[in-house]
Amino acid sequence: DAGITQSPRHKVTETGTPVTLRCHQTENHRYMYWYRQDPGHGLRLIHYSYGVKDTDKGEVSDGYSVSRSKTEDFLLTLESATSSQTSVYFCAIRRTSGTDTQYFGPGTRLTVL
Amino acid sequence: GQQVMQIPQYQHVQEGEDFTTYCNSSTTLSNIQWYKQRPGGHPVFLIQLVKSGEVKKQKRLTFQFGEAKKNSSLHITATQTTDVGTYFCAGLGGNKLVFGAGTILRVKS
Repeated sequence: DAGITQSPRHKVTETGTPVTLRCHQTENHRYMYWYRQDPGHGLRLIHYSYGVKDTDKGEVSDGYSVSRSKTEDFLLTLESATSSQTSVYFCAIRRTSGTDTQYFGPGTRLTVL
Repeated sequence: GQQVMQIPQYQHVQEGEDFTTYCNSSTTLSNIQWYKQRPGGHPVFLIQLVKSGEVKKQKRLTFQFGEAKKNSSLHITATQTTDVGTYFCAGLGGNKLVFGAGTILRVKS
């Protein structure tokens, strides 16, 4: 499991409210990623981080911001949630020693009413 | 940007039948990775292919990487109910993985 946790695991919120999702890792990996998963779209990258305070946009970044003030934590914020942001959100770390691959957290199911 | 297409979207098979999912990239890939996601779970890494024409096997699963490094396939021989889930391919582009939409496999016992 690569020591990845996500919180909260489930959240229901209302349109227009801010929401912050947290990803925490225990193995000191440099790269961290936020994806959303929707039926028929697979996993789409929202933002990723390549170090503390170093972040970059993915393919579906509009409406989302991220922050990484510590190696172990990567936060995803929806400034003003919309119903189109109802989704399952996965955090992942990239392990580059040995096989270069990603390990995913358990996911957060977000519903925006 | 890089796009990864995956077919079919769904596949229902009888237990014991074979299953194949195909992945095609719009650009040449440095490597391709396959992941499996069980219902209600998170994606789990299965394998990585790097070399042109590479074939790797994991028990009943056979993974192939095309000669041009733009396509790949996953074949499962004699499916079992434990194979149920969604199978994703993903191509590495720089620091990012681009995922296919996935193939949902259902197995009827």
